[in-house]
Amino acid sequence: DAGVTQSPTHLIKTRGQQVTLRCSPKSGHDTVSWYQQALGQGPQFIFQYYEEEERQRGNFPDRFSGHQFPNYSSELNVNALLLGDSALYLCASSPTGTDTQYFGPGTRLTVL
Amino acid sequence: SQQGEEDPQALSIQEGENATMNCSYKTSINNLQWYRQNSGRGLVHLILIRSNEREKHSGRLRVTLDTSKKSSSLLITASRAADTASYFCATVAPSGAGSYQLTFGKGTKLSVIP
Repeated sequence: DAGVTQSPTHLIKTRGQQVTLRCSPKSGHDTVSWYQQALGQGPQFIFQYYEEEERQRGNFPDRFSGHQFPNYSSELNVNALLLGDSALYLCASSPTGTDTQYFGPGTRLTVL
Repeated sequence: SQQGEEDPQALSIQEGENATMNCSYKTSINNLQWYRQNSGRGLVHLILIRSNEREKHSGRLRVTLDTSKKSSSLLITASRAADTASYFCATVAPSGAGSYQLTFGKGTKLSVIP
């Protein structure tokens, strides 16, 4: 049984560009959450998707958007990249109604 | 914003010693979870303690929770070099419609010297 997978592993972009990160949840999990982890910090909640809709959102600007597909996989899109968006982006999945999330290995985004 | 605050920020011990990390938080919680992260990679779930529990064990891990003080501690006994990692506490609270939100602290960086 595959765990949570994320792609790509690393990504380098320049300021002003747009980026899309992808996540496949653990089998049987229908809820996907995204987190941003800056260097030396703990993960910060971006948003959560369930039934293809954003169910909850953290304190992130509208430049951060997402999508969930019928197979529960998810994408995180960031527009107009800023240097401060450089971070490790983590995806976590869980069955709805449960309180333990399983994390993927993350995507390291570097904005130059 | 981050609710949990781990203490200390960094900890260096010799292999075989015990390591204790503390976490304080601010609001009511359903449960508190501890995660491990190796070298900026994904988070691995270690242990969950519910708000009505005071202590929980899993292998070499012992977690305590004091809801009156809004604090938790993680004890790793007989540490090994492989325990070198960053450890995060995450508070869990319901956020409506059957969903739960995890709020992480800044973590404790543990170095175990062989």
